[in-house]
Amino acid sequence: QVQLQESGPGLVKPSETLSLTCTVSGGSISNYYWSWIRQPPGKGLEWIGYIYYSGSNNYNPSLKSRVTISVDTSKNQFSLKLNSVTAADTAVYYCARVGAARPYYFDFWGQGTLVTVSS
Amino acid sequence: DIVMTQSPDSLAVSLGERATINCKSSQSVLYSSNNKNYLAWYQQKPGQPPKLLISWASTRESGVPDRFSGSGSGTDFTLTISSLQAEDVAVYYCQQYYGAPITFGQGTRLEIK
Repeated sequence: QVQLQESGPGLVKPSETLSLTCTVSGGSISNYYWSWIRQPPGKGLEWIGYIYYSGSNNYNPSLKSRVTISVDTSKNQFSLKLNSVTAADTAVYYCARVGAARPYYFDFWGQGTLVTVSS
Repeated sequence: DIVMTQSPDSLAVSLGERATINCKSSQSVLYSSNNKNYLAWYQQKPGQPPKLLISWASTRESGVPDRFSGSGSGTDFTLTISSLQAEDVAVYYCQQYYGAPITFGQGTRLEIK
């Protein structure tokens, strides 16, 4: 059974960079697409972007200018960087698996990590 | 972007009764070459990540009770819970994966009447 675990700081200052890592266990990161999704407190889900194990990626246009998603197959991890954060970026951040041949639905999710943007 | 609109925003149903949640996409998510609808449904309970219930509009995931069913095609979709159980209290989301950016509906909160 594939398991995902997010890790990173729970508090980030405004204008700084949010950095999170997702560690995949119980299966290989290879041959799949992997994604980040976020959920502001009490609100709905927003797709941030995905990356294929080979490194090709696609980002939500609403965040594209600030987002970088990378993958490290040797560590079975992928990462998110979101720069120039504001209070509007406060959310629970989830990592998820999003398909094999193509990015489809999210079948495995991490538990999520709350990131608060505040000075 | 494909906009996903769910209705209603919230719903209260008696135990054992049927619950119906609707999802409408701003453009068709039916891929004509394979006749598949690129639409998924998720259940999210408080403090938990979303759980995939249904993919391809009507394919139930392994382990999902058969009281959950998905239907619809093109732009109009429905998630039906045939006989509501207490453990079904949650927020339900639809999601399209027809095109990027991937988008979700705003969610429907399901409660017990």
